[in-house]
Amino acid sequence: DSGVTQTPKHLITATGQRVTLRCSPRSGDLSVYWYQQSLDQGLQFLIQYYNGEERAKGNILERFSAQQFPDLHSELNLSSLELGDSALYFCASSETMNTGELFFGEGSRLTVL
Amino acid sequence: AQKITQTQPGMFVQEKEAVTLDCTYDTSDPSYGLFWYKQPSSGEMIFLIYQGSYDQQNATEGRYSLNFQKARKSANLVISASQLGDSAMYFCAMRGVNSGYSTLTFGKGTMLLVSP
Repeated sequence: DSGVTQTPKHLITATGQRVTLRCSPRSGDLSVYWYQQSLDQGLQFLIQYYNGEERAKGNILERFSAQQFPDLHSELNLSSLELGDSALYFCASSETMNTGELFFGEGSRLTVL
Repeated sequence: AQKITQTQPGMFVQEKEAVTLDCTYDTSDPSYGLFWYKQPSSGEMIFLIYQGSYDQQNATEGRYSLNFQKARKSANLVISASQLGDSAMYFCAMRGVNSGYSTLTFGKGTMLLVSP
C-alpha cells in the first residue's frame, strides 16, 4: 500500500459526459501529480500541483482540469469525454517537488462508451 | 527533451534465475534521476529502485539492482532469483533538473513472465 488513495477505482460513462477523479496523497506529501496511461500513448504526465499551486503542465487537454485543495487532496476533472479518453488515470505524490521517489495510487480506470 | 527506450516488449525467465531488463535514455539534463517501477496485473505502480546521475555506486534494493552506465546512457534493472510474483510490467523512468524534476518520463515498458 503506497498510501495514495484514488477514487473511484472504476468508472464507466458515455461520450460527452463529465467525470471527476479524486486523489488523496500520502500523509505529509505536498506534491501531487496526475498521469494518464493508455495502450497507445503509454504513461503520460498531465499536471503537477504543489501545496495548492499548479507547478508543471504536461500533455493535458483543454477539456481536462485539475486542482489541489487546502487539505492537499486533488481532483482531476474530465469533460466532454471522448472514446479516446478511456485510460487508467494515476495520481502520485511526493513530499517535495524534487524528491526522487513518487508514490503512485492504484489508479482510476475510466471507460468511455 | 527526455526519452526513455525499453527495447524488450517481453521477457521470459524461469523461477530462481536472474533477469536483466534493458533501459536506455536520452537527455541533455546535467542532473537527473532514473527509476524503475513495477506494474502488476492489478494496475498499481510500485516503486522499485532509484539511481541519481551523480551517484557513484549502483543502486540496490533487495533482489533489485540497477546497472547504471552513464557513458552509455543505460540503466538496466537486474532482478536476481526471480519469483513467480515478479511477473508484471516493468517501466523505466527518468526526470531531470531542466524540468524542475517535476515530470517523470516513462518508457513503454517490458512485460516479464516468470515460469515455474
